Parts: sequence; C-alpha cells; structure tokens
Amino acid sequence: TQLLEQSPQFLSIQEGENLTVYCNSSSVFSSLQWYRQEPGEGPVLLVTVVTGGEVKKLKRLTFQFGDARKDSSLHITAAQPGDTGLYLCAGVFGDMRFGAGTRLTVKP
Amino acid sequence: ETGVTQTPRHLVMGMTNKKSLKCEQHLGHNAMYWYKQSAKKPLELMFVYNFKEQTENNSVPSRFSPECPNSSHLFLHLHTLQPEDSALYLCASSQEIGGSYSPLHFGNGTRLTVT
Repeated sequence: TQLLEQSPQFLSIQEGENLTVYCNSSSVFSSLQWYRQEPGEGPVLLVTVVTGGEVKKLKRLTFQFGDARKDSSLHITAAQPGDTGLYLCAGVFGDMRFGAGTRLTVKP
Repeated sequence: ETGVTQTPRHLVMGMTNKKSLKCEQHLGHNAMYWYKQSAKKPLELMFVYNFKEQTENNSVPSRFSPECPNSSHLFLHLHTLQPEDSALYLCASSQEIGGSYSPLHFGNGTRLTVT
C-alpha cells in the first residue's frame, strides 16, 4: 500500500480544457509539495503547502491543501501543451515520501 | 550551470560489471539523496546524507554502495546488479532534511539499463 495515492494515474486532454489531479493519504502531513517532471529531466518544485485549507496559485495552477492536511489537489485552468509532464506530490513525514504521479498529456 | 549535475546520463552495464554514478551540487546544500524511479512506482528513497554522514539506508541491497566524500559530491557504486535494477536514478539535494521549506533540487538522472 502506497503512503500517498495519486489519481488519476494518466490523463490526456485537449488544449484549453481544465483538469484536477489529486493526492490522498490516510496520514497527516506536516507539509506537502508538488513537483513536475518533464521527459528526460528531474522533478522540479512547483509549490509547498503547509497550513490546512491553504490555497496557492501559480499562474494557471491552483493548489489546495485539505483542512485535515491529509490530501491535496492541483487544478489547471486552460491547459497548454507546455503543461505536459509527470506531476508528483510529496509529503513530509519527517523525511519526504512521493506518490507515483499523474502523467498529464495536453494535446494541441 | 544546473544546480545538481549527474553523470553519466545513460549507462548500460552487464550484471558482472562495476560502475559508478556521480552527482555534484552547486547550491551549498547540506543534504544529498539517491532516489530510484521505476515506471508506475513512487520515487524510492535509497540513501540520505546529511553533512556527509549517512542518515538513512532504506533496506537497499548491498550491490548498491553510496559514497559522500564531501557535502557537494555523492556517488553510487554499482556491482553485480540485476535486470530489475534498471531504472532512472535521481540525485537530489536540500538545505536541510525534512524541513517543510527545504525542497528537493533534483538532477536530471542517470538512466541505467542492466543487461
């Protein structure tokens, strides 16, 4: 059983559509981070959320941390081909544990 | 110059070979990590070094041997690997371990294929 469950595993959409991906756990995180990994590269940090209920925006990306600090979501508005990549969530439980990721493909 | 540099980018080795992966960070961070990334599986933490001292070894087989000569360099020595060890090996660094505001900075990885 994975500590962090990400859904969906794969997502393929057309440019301009909106989408939401999820990161869930039965454990409470002290904080949670979202990373994006593009083909041939390592993951790059997008955001860190710390407070339950926190919402952070990064251009067209909106990140939300659940009130109980057990789950998080990433919403992308008007997706673009440049958003294509593997989206990873990582929870801090003392050390950092990763989910398996959501692989997003945005078609022109 | 990227903050975390890994070499080589690709490596193909036989099961009887010995090879080493190298990682160098130019960020002045105190912690360095090795992760294994396999298809459809979460990133697996292998080793953690804090101020050159190994602080974690997540039940990694002895055919993987890490070395951290200083806080900027990290090696992963490989010997008698198995085909299931084929994966992307990622090095990362952070200012401190486990801090909420201490994100990981990753290199671009070494794609390892064991034949």
